[in-house]
Amino acid sequence: DAGITQSPRHKVTETGTPVTLRCHQTENHRYMYWYRQDPGHGLRLIHYSYGVKDTDKGEVSDGYSVSRSKTEDFLLTLESATSSQTSVYFCAISEPGLGYTDTQYFGPGTRLTVL
Amino acid sequence: GQQVMQIPQYQHVQEGEDFTTYCNSSTTLSNIQWYKQRPGGHPVFLIQLVKSGEVKKQKRLTFQFGEAKKNSSLHITATQTTDVGTYFCAANSGAGSYQLTFGKGTKLSVIP
Repeated sequence: DAGITQSPRHKVTETGTPVTLRCHQTENHRYMYWYRQDPGHGLRLIHYSYGVKDTDKGEVSDGYSVSRSKTEDFLLTLESATSSQTSVYFCAISEPGLGYTDTQYFGPGTRLTVL
Repeated sequence: GQQVMQIPQYQHVQEGEDFTTYCNSSTTLSNIQWYKQRPGGHPVFLIQLVKSGEVKKQKRLTFQFGEAKKNSSLHITATQTTDVGTYFCAANSGAGSYQLTFGKGTKLSVIP
């Protein structure tokens, strides 16, 4: 498995509280992604980063913000958590090579429950 | 952005039976990737198809990319309990994009 860790692995929080999830990679890959996975919806892209301090929105970015101050770390923040943000969150990395897409390597996931 | 429809959503098979999942797009795809997620695990890359009509095999798994590059399939011959999991197809979110749009996945259950 690629060197990707996510922390925390599990978190229970209350509505209205801020939450930050961390993704750390040791592969020096340029691209990093945050997805959420919900039953019936598959994997949906929240935000992604194409370099340090370079980020952009994905399909379901409302209520989320991200930051990337170092190549190896990509943080996902829920400013004020809501129950609809209860989900499993996956971080992924990729390094563009030939062509438009490259394999994405996923972290182990963070299970977040918002009460 | 790019959308890929994946069917079926669920499939229950007896061990030893074959299994196929299909991925369809209304637009031409530059390439398509397949991932497998074991229960409780994370998605793991299986393969990427790029060429029109391409067929690739990995042991009992056969991957196909349609001639028009609008559809793809994953076929598993003689399923085993180790094949249990959810299989996702994924495609570029748009021209020049490095983002992937994932199908909703096919969850495979294998009855021993």
